[in-house]
Amino acid sequence: GAGVSQTPSNKVTEKGKYVELRCDPISGHTALYWYRQSLGQGPEFLIYFQGTGAADDSGLPNDRFFAVRPEGSVSTLKIQRTERGDSAVYLCASSVSGSGPETQYFGPGTRLLVL
Amino acid sequence: SQQGEEDPQALSIQEGENATMNCSYKTSINNLQWYRQNSGRGLVHLILIRSNEREKHSGRLRVTLDTSKKSSSLLITASRAADTASYFCATEDSSYKLIFGSGTRLLVRP
Repeated sequence: GAGVSQTPSNKVTEKGKYVELRCDPISGHTALYWYRQSLGQGPEFLIYFQGTGAADDSGLPNDRFFAVRPEGSVSTLKIQRTERGDSAVYLCASSVSGSGPETQYFGPGTRLLVL
Repeated sequence: SQQGEEDPQALSIQEGENATMNCSYKTSINNLQWYRQNSGRGLVHLILIRSNEREKHSGRLRVTLDTSKKSSSLLITASRAADTASYFCATEDSSYKLIFGSGTRLLVRP
């Protein structure tokens, strides 16, 4: 079946603008994760959804970042008042249940560039 | 924040040679996973080793885990040019989020 998809693939915006990044997880996967990867670094955890609720949002850097998953499937990561330091690849992953050791399947990411 | 360090940061070997990458971490874990990434995108899961396991094999991959030293190693045997990629270890604790290392960039020369 289809894997995790993310849109857009690339997003260029200006400092101060608002952006939305979308993630479509694998059908039936309950758990969804957002990570951020800066150049030359490993991905860093942002937020984890179990169904519709955010089970852990401890990785969100500040209140400009917000994510939703209203129907327990598609998720949107929202960034307000973007800053140049927000430039990174934003990765989404999903897993079957989010409980117990299991594989997280990653999407191709959205490369965000804030000018 | 990153969980730990990977060593080496970069590795260049000849096709057919073995490649060994090491990962150290700081806190207690439920399991450790290795991922591969090409061209800064698309992380692909390679192997998961649980905290009560010491060694695991998958094809040309061999992973070891030493929880007393908080370290793991990934061995790729008989490397191929197509193995060229960045390799990341990631630890998972009871919260089920992954904490990644900084990665090893592997170049396999044909």
